Amino acid sequence: AQTVTQSQPEMSVQEAETVTLSCTYDTSESDYYLFWYKQPPSRQMILVIRQEAYKQQNATENRFSVNFQKAAKSFSLKISDSQLGDAAMYFCAYRILYGGATNKLIFGTGTLLAVQP
Amino acid sequence: DAMVIQNPRYQVTQFGKPVTLSCSQTLNHNVMYWYQQKSSQAPKLLFHYYDKDFNNEADTPDNFQSRRPNTSFCFLDIRSPGLGDAAMYLCATSLGLDYEQYFGPGTRLTVT
Repeated sequence: AQTVTQSQPEMSVQEAETVTLSCTYDTSESDYYLFWYKQPPSRQMILVIRQEAYKQQNATENRFSVNFQKAAKSFSLKISDSQLGDAAMYFCAYRILYGGATNKLIFGTGTLLAVQP
Repeated sequence: DAMVIQNPRYQVTQFGKPVTLSCSQTLNHNVMYWYQQKSSQAPKLLFHYYDKDFNNEADTPDNFQSRRPNTSFCFLDIRSPGLGDAAMYLCATSLGLDYEQYFGPGTRLTVT
């Protein structure tokens, strides 16, 4: 069974600094997606960044980038130039590439990120 | 803006009293999902609809039911809520099963 582990329940970063959130996963599949979702307090979960496992290049979206290590099954999120609006719960998630009716997102337990002014 | 809407945002119900949570979408997506997210835990998929086809997760309790009367709306019915059902309930939609999921803001359910 696929599992996603986030070992940092809480993290804190100073505004304008860089922070890295960790995620590891376990799967026997070779083709899959990995995601980082952001869930601000009382607001909906939004997709921050997505990585296809077959792509060697790490995904980047503005200040957000990932370090994808397929062999190590590691998928960390780096937030550069942290802003107050980055404060949120961050979930790492996994999905098989083409799972059809059995396809579903498998989430980690989340990392609560605080941004200090 | 196209979006996923959940009503109400906060719901209080009594132990054993049936409750219905609502989700609507303007994205015209084929798939609608319901997740349960308990405090400090990962969201957990309860079931999903692909069009009118209902797909229940194997470990979803029988106490949880769902209805999708049309493309835009999907309901989560909890027949006899227990204290353990207190959670945030998230609705999500996607164009197809292998497409990105878009989430609503959630309904926080309290059971007294």
